[in-house]
Amino acid sequence: DVKVTQSSRYLVKRTGEKVFLECVQDMDHENMFWYRQDPGLGLRLIYFSYDVKMKEKGDIPEGYSVSREKKERFSLILESASTNQTSMYLCASIGVLAVNNEQFFGPGTRLTVL
Amino acid sequence: AQKVTQAQTEISVVEKEDVTLDCVYETRDTTYYLFWYKQPPSGELVFLIRRNSFDEQNEISGRYSWNFQKSTSSFNFTITASQVVDSAVYFCALSQGGSEKLVFGKGTKLTVNP
Repeated sequence: DVKVTQSSRYLVKRTGEKVFLECVQDMDHENMFWYRQDPGLGLRLIYFSYDVKMKEKGDIPEGYSVSREKKERFSLILESASTNQTSMYLCASIGVLAVNNEQFFGPGTRLTVL
Repeated sequence: AQKVTQAQTEISVVEKEDVTLDCVYETRDTTYYLFWYKQPPSGELVFLIRRNSFDEQNEISGRYSWNFQKSTSSFNFTITASQVVDSAVYFCALSQGGSEKLVFGKGTKLTVNP
């Protein structure tokens, strides 16, 4: 089974802190994604990566950056956390030869910024 | 631009009722994929189905069925004889051909009461 894991289920940080959200997948997938999920807004794409050291902005990249130094790991970075970044963050991955184009999602990290 | 609309924000039914979740999409692409995902209270998104734009056949999987109609740009999801375990948020999503990026609707929260 494909496994996508995220470093924390719940995280509480203070305004201005630098925050790292980690995502690891174990299926050698090329493509990885970070979404944020907010009530009434659904899932919105922040950044994605289609290969090591490659990244592209999604629909709402402002205030975020990412890092993909190894194929299995995709990190989302909040350089200076703000209260409007309080949200649920979901990581996903998909292989180039994926059956059904199914993206596999991690369990999510619920981040609260105080 | 691509867009997915799930007009029903919340639906509440009694167990054993049938329920249909609506999904309307917009895209200018001729090749695209439509998806449904389920998000139970645990938070992890679970893939349910993918349909490509050239396959308008309806799909049935147990109590679940999907009705894809290009003429109305809709991809509706019906649960027959609903059960309490069907309670979740359901997302419809769209990706254009050749891209793994997904555009999600805002989700429909389904509550099945005993």
